Amino acid sequence: AQKVTQAQTEISVVEKEDVTLDCVYETRDTTYYLFWYKQPPSGELVFLIRRNSFDEQNEISGRYSWNFQKSTSSFNFTITASQVVDSAVYFCAPMGYGQNFVFGPGTRLSVLP
Amino acid sequence: EAQVTQNPRYLITVTGKKLTVTCSQNMNHEYMSWYRQDPGLGLRQIYYSMNVEVTDKGDVPEGYKVSRKEKRNFPLILESPSPNQTSLYFCASSLSGRQAFFGQGTRLTVV
Repeated sequence: AQKVTQAQTEISVVEKEDVTLDCVYETRDTTYYLFWYKQPPSGELVFLIRRNSFDEQNEISGRYSWNFQKSTSSFNFTITASQVVDSAVYFCAPMGYGQNFVFGPGTRLSVLP
Repeated sequence: EAQVTQNPRYLITVTGKKLTVTCSQNMNHEYMSWYRQDPGLGLRQIYYSMNVEVTDKGDVPEGYKVSRKEKRNFPLILESPSPNQTSLYFCASSLSGRQAFFGQGTRLTVV
């Protein structure tokens, strides 16, 4: 069974600040995938990134970057120069055997102008 | 356009009145699943299906039924809804190892 911990329930930052969202997961699968999703106030779930467990190369995409460390089972997400439109709930979700996503409880990010 | 379509988007019903929430995807995905989202609990999986006629329980299956008779459809059935099933429901579909595509959500209120 998989488990996800997103220790930060809510974070508030001022626009243009950098913010990192933490994710720690547990899995017994040797091969798995890790995902981040965003849920803006409108309610839909938006896919952000997918990583597989044997590729620890960190990734940057525009203002977003991800730090995957298999040794500590962490998959953290950083937004650089945050904007008000980044305000949303962010979910970390590992996926293993059976293609089952296990979602963390989410971190609510509020970016204040 | 690739999409997952849920209906209805909003539903208010009374305790005990059977209801079905439909979910359809047009991407030929093998995997489909249902989640419920409650404040502070994130998304919890109700049921999932790995292909036609193959379904299995997720973390919170009590009070729900599903069927997968066709690849594109995965309806969620509440035989006797109760107020504790008031929630926001999402259907999702995916290919093996790929990101899930989610429907727009169904907000269900059981009174």
